[in-house]
Amino acid sequence: AQKVTQAQTEISVVEKEDVTLDCVYETRDTTYYLFWYKQPPSGELVFLIRRNSFDEQNEISGRYSWNFQKSTSSFNFTITASQVVDSAVYFCALRLHLSNSGGSNYKLTFGKGTLLTVNP
Amino acid sequence: GAGVSQSPRYKVAKRGQDVALRCDPISGHVSLFWYQQALGQGPEFLTYFQNEAQLDKSGLPSDRFFAERPEGSVSTLKIQRTQQEDSAVYLCASSLHDQETQYFGPGTRLLVL
Repeated sequence: AQKVTQAQTEISVVEKEDVTLDCVYETRDTTYYLFWYKQPPSGELVFLIRRNSFDEQNEISGRYSWNFQKSTSSFNFTITASQVVDSAVYFCALRLHLSNSGGSNYKLTFGKGTLLTVNP
Repeated sequence: GAGVSQSPRYKVAKRGQDVALRCDPISGHVSLFWYQQALGQGPEFLTYFQNEAQLDKSGLPSDRFFAERPEGSVSTLKIQRTQQEDSAVYLCASSLHDQETQYFGPGTRLLVL
């Protein structure tokens, strides 16, 4: 079975600070996808990024960057120069690609989320 | 284009009532998913449709939960004889096909009194 752990339940920062959200995953499968979603107070899960297990290259998109390290089963998310509008719950999720352990390749397994509060 | 929409956004039900939650996926998306999100938790998988076929209902918590997608577009999640433990946010997601990224709707917040 798959598992995603987001050890940080809540983080509070002051605007313009950098913040890193941690994500550690467990799977016996060798091919999989990792995701980050943002859930603002409105409730909708907003897709941020998808990475596949073949590609460990880090990615940057504006103020967002992601650090994928297969050796430590981690997929951490950094927001640079945080803004009040970044306040939300952030979820890390895993989905198998071609399962060799009998798991489904369409279910998302989510962590419990990290509540980020950016104060002005 | 339009995203995934869900209705109602909020639903209050008395214990024992039946409820029906609607999901309108993104047009053309073959795959549709329902997730349940308890307070302070991440979403958990309930069921999956490919067009009108329900291919996986392993996450439905009891036989009081029933989902359908009769024409391969709109889906309805029905909960019969609601219980307090059914209180949660019910999220619908769709994707072009099951290997593509899932896009979520705003959810229906169900409160059972």
